[in-house]
Amino acid sequence: DTGVSQDPRHKITKRGQNVTFRCDPISEHNRLYWYRQTLGQGPEFLTYFQNEAQLEKSRLLSDRFSAERPKGSFSTLEIQRTEQGDSAMYLCASSLLESGGFNTDTQYFGPGTRLTVL
Amino acid sequence: KQEVTQIPAALSVPEGENLVLNCSFTDSAIYNLQWFRQDPGKGLTSLLLIQSSQREQTSGRLNASLDKSSGRSTLYIAASQPGDSATYLCAKNDYKLSFGAGTTVTVRA
Repeated sequence: DTGVSQDPRHKITKRGQNVTFRCDPISEHNRLYWYRQTLGQGPEFLTYFQNEAQLEKSRLLSDRFSAERPKGSFSTLEIQRTEQGDSAMYLCASSLLESGGFNTDTQYFGPGTRLTVL
Repeated sequence: KQEVTQIPAALSVPEGENLVLNCSFTDSAIYNLQWFRQDPGKGLTSLLLIQSSQREQTSGRLNASLDKSSGRSTLYIAASQPGDSATYLCAKNDYKLSFGAGTTVTVRA
């Protein structure tokens, strides 16, 4: 059992640069979520996929953010023209929504990618 | 509008004492309620998931209850240990998670 993995674990970048994060979910999971967490707060939902389809994006996800899950397996989250306000922990989670199931899936989280924008 | 609220924000107890962590939510029409543990600088570990049709779930020293009518969930940790020191987060689970800010617990040896 490899769990959810994320890469890199830490990223330091200068304002204005682009960054890309990767998430590898638990292999049989069909749902994949991205969240953002700032210090002292709970994670906030950004977007989620069911298989390769992106089904919802939060208003938090400005047009500088884009997420993909091209083959329904791993996912990438790209931030263009980073700003200091983008500094946060970016968390990925996955779950298995079984056929006929509805909102009963436990989400399993990766270790996160900590982004620091200087 | 804060959908999920956790009070207190921090809690310190001596080893062996039982812990009671509170979570309240504004929307009683929730599907599921999930409790997580987060260690400093780390990701989240799922502790318990209570489905909306259930009133409680138990795992070892952990017990979580759900009262939809009052909009509250409570996590009980029996006989606390220093290893229980962490931040505990509750989240409303209707496909996406809506989290509270968490309660940071310190168990003193």
